[in-house]
Amino acid sequence: GAVVSQHPSRVICKSGTSVKIECRSLDFQATTMFWYRQFPKKSLMLMATSNEGSKATYEQGVEKDKFLINHASLTLSTLTVTSAHPEDSSFYICSASERVSSSGNTIYFGEGSWLTVV
Amino acid sequence: AQSVAQPEDQVNVAEGNPLTVKCTYSVSGNPYLFWYVQYPNRGLQFLLKYITGDNLVKGSYGFEAEFNKSQTSFHLKKPSALVSDSALYFCAVRDYLYNFNKFYFGSGTKLNVKP
Repeated sequence: GAVVSQHPSRVICKSGTSVKIECRSLDFQATTMFWYRQFPKKSLMLMATSNEGSKATYEQGVEKDKFLINHASLTLSTLTVTSAHPEDSSFYICSASERVSSSGNTIYFGEGSWLTVV
Repeated sequence: AQSVAQPEDQVNVAEGNPLTVKCTYSVSGNPYLFWYVQYPNRGLQFLLKYITGDNLVKGSYGFEAEFNKSQTSFHLKKPSALVSDSALYFCAVRDYLYNFNKFYFGSGTKLNVKP
């Protein structure tokens, strides 16, 4: 299957600083990437949908100025958590969909990034 | 709106026994259904999907799922469970109407396979 790489896998940052997480599709072009947040023992919460070359679409309740998403190329999307606070500590997962749109398109997920804000 | 429900938070099964992880769906239009597995501290791995065709879908690691339109279900099954199958399983449905790339996930079911 297709490979989505996410980096870093773990990051610790100080409260008030910003941290960037990268999501790359390694062997396919991803016109759309998604960013999820997962709380312990909980399901995935979709934060935003990122389309290459355009602004991200944020889900209701997600602060777009706090969670900056950039999708500059067909293989890279970044999530920047700005002015991080301890409550932003979580597991963040990205996913990507292939460029060719068909009813059978599958979403492939990165390995996730643990963010700890101290 | 599209949604899936996983009624069981946890399923316990002995190694070698068959396992079933339940999922029911509610969709407008055709259902595009998926199963993913998540191991601890990892991302999600694709297992299988139903788009159209045979109601019994075979996927990775010996898993299969049966699409049942009358019961609006898409249960995940495996004839003989392995301890290594212990993980968190998510059912998902694709948004057919408004945003084709948007997935809705169930709450997840933790599968425990005991030796």
